[in-house]
Amino acid sequence: KAGVTQTPRYLIKTRGQQVTLSCSPISGHRSVSWYQQTPGQGLQFLFEYFSETQRNKGNFPGRFSGRQFSNSRSEMNVSTLELGDSALYLCASSFPPSGGNPRDTQYFGPGTRLTVL
Amino acid sequence: GNSVTQMEGPVTLSEEAFLTINCTYTATGYPSLFWYVQYPGEGLQLLLKATKADDKGSNKGFEATYRKETTSFHLEKGSVQVSDSAVYFCALLNNAGNMLTFGGGTRLMVKP
Repeated sequence: KAGVTQTPRYLIKTRGQQVTLSCSPISGHRSVSWYQQTPGQGLQFLFEYFSETQRNKGNFPGRFSGRQFSNSRSEMNVSTLELGDSALYLCASSFPPSGGNPRDTQYFGPGTRLTVL
Repeated sequence: GNSVTQMEGPVTLSEEAFLTINCTYTATGYPSLFWYVQYPGEGLQLLLKATKADDKGSNKGFEATYRKETTSFHLEKGSVQVSDSAVYFCALLNNAGNMLTFGGGTRLMVKP
């Protein structure tokens, strides 16, 4: 079974621009989560989508948004980019979650490396 | 809120040495616990997991036991290899099953 795929793998943008990242989950997985990884802040949760609905959101400004499509693919968008948005953005997918169920395991993609100049 | 604390690195070991990376957590309820590994330039790979107290997760010679009494999930390996050099993250899954909280990561360097 193919793993989580993310496109593009690398992006270079300038301040003020916007960017869209894409994530395709493992076939059959309906939950998609996004995380930001930076050297200073580590791994931080952005948001999670299930059946096209955002169910949970981390503590990020409104410039960060996302959506999920009916085929479970997800996109995240960052508008008005700032230097501090440079990071590795990781997407993870899981089977429909229920608390404590082993199927909750989140499987990660390779990430998109965003550099803001 | 939930939090995970793991020992800071880097941890430098010789090949075949014993490895322990400490991880403690704070959470409500009974979260599932995970260890992920990240190799340079890659995403996170699931190493092992445990979903309830006293469970032992194991994979590729790594082990970790879910200790609710000490709120810990320490990672161990009896004999490390150079190929184990990577960054290791301890994480817990919230009760809703839709958000991971990560520790800061521990870089392991294994020298031949």
